[in-house]
Amino acid sequence: DIQMTQSPSTLSASVGDRVTITCRASQSISSWLAWYQQKPGKAPKLLIYKASSLESGVPSRFSGSGSGTEFTLTISSLQPDDFATYYCQHQGTFGPGTKVDIK
Amino acid sequence: QVQLQESGPGLVKPSETLSLTCAVSGYSISSGYYWGWIRQPPGKGLEWIGSIYHSGSTYYNPSLKSRVTISVDTSKNQFSLKLSSVTAADTAVYYCASGELERVPDAFDIWGQGTMVTVSS
Repeated sequence: DIQMTQSPSTLSASVGDRVTITCRASQSISSWLAWYQQKPGKAPKLLIYKASSLESGVPSRFSGSGSGTEFTLTISSLQPDDFATYYCQHQGTFGPGTKVDIK
Repeated sequence: QVQLQESGPGLVKPSETLSLTCAVSGYSISSGYYWGWIRQPPGKGLEWIGSIYHSGSTYYNPSLKSRVTISVDTSKNQFSLKLSSVTAADTAVYYCASGELERVPDAFDIWGQGTMVTVSS
């Protein structure tokens, strides 16, 4: 089975910061990776699919990159609405999540 | 615009079967989407339970496979989850979700609001 890991598990940042979250797969998954944002008490929201495709309606400050086993989600300028937990996903496996909180 | 709504008991006794339904609106369940269930124990991360495709093919999390059944009812435009022999470890928020097979073949772009299920006597 493919395992997904994320780093860091928690990230403290300020509004305006550039934020990068890394997701690693235990073996190559080509570009089959999605990123989600989840806020407390809410369902996850798809941000990125196929590693780098921005979901419709998602702000352009979000971007995804990578292929094979290493992927990144970047928020170019963190906004107050972006404080949340972020998950990567490959098929039936989700990463453990990265919580982005206020510094 | 596809919309999903979970329904089912919020409390299930240990050893019994958890049954949830996801009503689909805005789209025919027999068309080119796939449908899935994901759960999230309190304070923890997301766990995929399984998915069913419009072809009828099903795929389950290996760790739950022996206890899970996902099925589609085209007459009611809904799909269902059954999880047998539940224990306290199955207490979680259960989400139904869908993905447009041709556009996002490997992700869930639509989610229900989630329903909390507690396993307790």
